[in-house]
Amino acid sequence: AQSVTQLDSHVSVSEGTPVLLRCNYSSSYSPSLFWYVQHPNKGLQLLLKYTSAATLVKGINGFEAEFKKSETSFHLTKPSAHMSDAAEYFCVVSVGFQKLVFGTGTRLLVSP
Amino acid sequence: SAVISQKPSRDICQRGTSLTIQCQVDSQVTMMFWYRQQPGQSLTLIATANQGSEATYESGFVIDKFPISRPNLTFSTLTVSNMSPEDSSIYLCSARLAGDRGEQYFGPGTRLTVT
Repeated sequence: AQSVTQLDSHVSVSEGTPVLLRCNYSSSYSPSLFWYVQHPNKGLQLLLKYTSAATLVKGINGFEAEFKKSETSFHLTKPSAHMSDAAEYFCVVSVGFQKLVFGTGTRLLVSP
Repeated sequence: SAVISQKPSRDICQRGTSLTIQCQVDSQVTMMFWYRQQPGQSLTLIATANQGSEATYESGFVIDKFPISRPNLTFSTLTVSNMSPEDSSIYLCSARLAGDRGEQYFGPGTRLTVT
C-alpha cells in the first residue's frame, strides 16, 4: 500500500536560513508524489509534484524537492526562508492516480 | 488548474442536526472527493463522489452518516447527518482534472463546529 511518512511534526528556522522538510514514501510502483501547503485558515495549495519525469522538481515560491528512489525520499527544500512560508506542509502520495494519501504534516515556524 | 468554491465557509450546529455542504468547480472534472480534517490533524479521505452513481466510501465512513450527491460534472454535496461534537472538523472538497497524474485541487474548506 502507498503511504508517506513525514519525519518532523515541527520545524523551526530563522528568516533567511534554509528550509528542509523530510518525507519518506512507501510504494509498490513508481509513485506520484506531491507537496501541499496550508496556511492558517486557508485551503490547500499545490506546491509541486513529481510524476516520474525529472527527479528534481521545482515548485512555487522557491521551493523544490528531489525524488530519490534509492532512499525512498522526497524532501522539500528552500534556500532561504521567508516569514510568509510559515504554514503546515503535507507530503502526499497518489494511489493509482485517483486517491491521495496524506502524511501527518509538518508545521514550519519562521522566526525573524 | 481548477477553482473550487464551498458553501458555507463555516457553521455552528447543534447536536443531532444535519448540515449539507456544497462544492462547485469552475470546469468539468472527472473526479471529485470529500476529505475531513479534524482539529490539528491531517486530511482523511471520506469518499469519492461519482457522477451519476453512488459515492465510493473509505473504510470507517458510511453513506448513512455522510450522504453524498454529484448530479453533474461540476457540483457535489456532502451531508453530515445526526451530528455529534466528534464531527467538528474542516470538510474539504477536491477535484482532479482529466489527464492529470493524480494531483487534486482543493476548495477552501468548511469549518464545522458541533455543540
